[in-house]
Amino acid sequence: DTGVSQDPRHKITKRGQNVTFRCDPISEHNRLYWYRQTLGQGPEFLTYFQNEAQLEKSRLLSDRFSAERPKGSFSTLEIQRTEQGDSAMYLCASSLGLGRETSYEQYFGPGTRLTVT
Amino acid sequence: KNEVEQSPQNLTAQEGEFITINCSYSVGISALHWLQQHPGGGIVSLFMLSSGKKKHGRLIATINIQEKHSSLHITASHPRDSAVYICAVGRANFGNEKLTFGTGTRLTIIP
Repeated sequence: DTGVSQDPRHKITKRGQNVTFRCDPISEHNRLYWYRQTLGQGPEFLTYFQNEAQLEKSRLLSDRFSAERPKGSFSTLEIQRTEQGDSAMYLCASSLGLGRETSYEQYFGPGTRLTVT
Repeated sequence: KNEVEQSPQNLTAQEGEFITINCSYSVGISALHWLQQHPGGGIVSLFMLSSGKKKHGRLIATINIQEKHSSLHITASHPRDSAVYICAVGRANFGNEKLTFGTGTRLTIIP
């Protein structure tokens, strides 16, 4: 399977614990996005990488959230001191982008569903 | 007001009916995306368009840039089309095509 993969698919954690999610994009894709989706809503942008550089972070991404893409391949999203409001589906997407002002199709992973109890 | 509005929020139809889902947006865009999300969360990209019309099988997407409006049509609808359909607009800025999403339209096709 050469699509976008995410691990784990489901995570249940207690409030105050730290969690880390992983995303493996399609191998030749240089752009990687993290989105968050709460129940009944559309996804919301969290952050974006072009290769290993994190180029934009949403104001939704508080200091408790950190994302990395160390070698420009897989990415991790860590949430420290989780809160119940962090419960959501965390989606990763990747695309192959060659131009600065051009749109490219984004390919989504299956998501990681986080439940904070 | 959200930057991307979809209507209807929920739609139930009989198998075989012609389906239309609408999307209006209020910002300048580089492209508009239609996405399909099945129960369990997986999102599949259906169309990306910046002008005119695209067709894939029984699905047709149109966009009117001047009116800032797009429609997704499904002909001869089938129960397997039941899913949430999400409209998203992209604004390409120095390589970052950040998507802004609508809240989705939940479609249920009854056999």
